[in-house]
Amino acid sequence: EDKVVQSPLSLVVHEGDTVTLNCSYEVTNFRSLLWYKQEKKAPTFLFMLTSSGIEKKSGRLSSILDKKELFSILNITATQTGDSAVYLCAVSGGGADGLTFGKGTHLIIQP
Amino acid sequence: EAGVTQFPSHSVIEKGQTVTLRCDPISGHDNLYWYRRVMGKEIKFLLHFVKESKQDESGMPNNRFLAERTGGTYSTLKVQPAELEDSGVYFCASSQDRVMGRGYTFGSGTRLTVV
Repeated sequence: EDKVVQSPLSLVVHEGDTVTLNCSYEVTNFRSLLWYKQEKKAPTFLFMLTSSGIEKKSGRLSSILDKKELFSILNITATQTGDSAVYLCAVSGGGADGLTFGKGTHLIIQP
Repeated sequence: EAGVTQFPSHSVIEKGQTVTLRCDPISGHDNLYWYRRVMGKEIKFLLHFVKESKQDESGMPNNRFLAERTGGTYSTLKVQPAELEDSGVYFCASSQDRVMGRGYTFGSGTRLTVV
């Protein structure tokens, strides 16, 4: 069965800290890995990764994929209180049409 | 551009009753997906429509769940009769093509509570 495991499940840091969120996966016929940010309601798209070793960046956020070791990391530098959210990792592939999600990492940034 | 709209935001029903959730995708998006998050678990795929056709319903939990997308526009997900374990947040997503990425947009979800 396809599986996505995120760690940690929860993380509390202070503003200005750098955090690294982890996502490992097992899926047949891997196509892509996606990161989402969920604040109150709808998950919003952050990154899609399909190739190993190519870092995607958007401001203070960056992500990279390792298809050999089957994991991805999401880095957030100089964190701000607005970064507080649940960060979801999802994989496309496997037997079903939809995404396979991890449970998410609940990130809390304290002032 | 209007996003994916789900109605209602929250529904509380008694065990044994029927509930219908609605999803309005982004206009022009042929692909519509339903997902569910039960408390403490990950978001799980339920099914995928392309226009009005069910492409993949491998994630539907049992025959108490019925999804429709007549005319290929909005979709409904009916739970009949509802059970306690059906409580959770039901998300809808839509996309223009089947490639995942920025164009794969989620709605805010419907929180279903069965008491």
